Amino acid sequence: DAGVTQSPTHLIKTRGQQVTLRCSPKSGHDTVSWYQQALGQGPQFIFQYYEEEERQRGNFPDRFSGHQFPNYSSELNVNALLLGDSALYLCASSLAGGRLNTEAFFGQGTRLTVV
Amino acid sequence: AQSVTQLGSHVSVSEGALVLLRCNYSSSVPPYLFWYVQYPNQGLQLLLKYTSAATLVKGINGFEAEFKKSETSFHLTKPSAHMSDAAEYFCAVSEGTGGSYIPTFGRGTSLIVHP
Repeated sequence: DAGVTQSPTHLIKTRGQQVTLRCSPKSGHDTVSWYQQALGQGPQFIFQYYEEEERQRGNFPDRFSGHQFPNYSSELNVNALLLGDSALYLCASSLAGGRLNTEAFFGQGTRLTVV
Repeated sequence: AQSVTQLGSHVSVSEGALVLLRCNYSSSVPPYLFWYVQYPNQGLQLLLKYTSAATLVKGINGFEAEFKKSETSFHLTKPSAHMSDAAEYFCAVSEGTGGSYIPTFGRGTSLIVHP
């Protein structure tokens, strides 16, 4: 079992550009959540995808969007990048839209640097 | 609304000494509580979780935490620190509001272990 895999591991982008991050959930999981972890901070919830729909969203602007595919993998898109978007982006997978209090498994993250 | 406060951004102990990482939570309903560990350049790994069963929860790597409702605390302990325990530790709370268990994370405590 490969667990949760994220790609790429590191990324450098310029202000104003757009970026797409990818996540494959743990085998058997159907729900993907995305988090932003700024340096020295705890993870902040961005949104959660279940059944190919955004089910919950944290306090993030519309520049942050996502998608879930039929195979449960997911993408996080960020438009019009700002320097403040520099962070570690974590993907977590779980079961049943998070309605069950089952463990969420995290990937190793994508380190995004905006210059 | 749910929130978590982790007291102390850094905790330093000697190898073999007791580890105590403090976490206080705020929740309007009986909470679910978690401790995660993050090693450098890694994602988060669940150490243990409290889900309204036994108040003393045992986790992996010799860690345990005790839920104290009267003190709204969920402190993490380990009797004897190992060098390999050096990492960032995050406390998280979720209320299961709206049928979804999205955790809110604290800012983290960095555990430093001296030889």
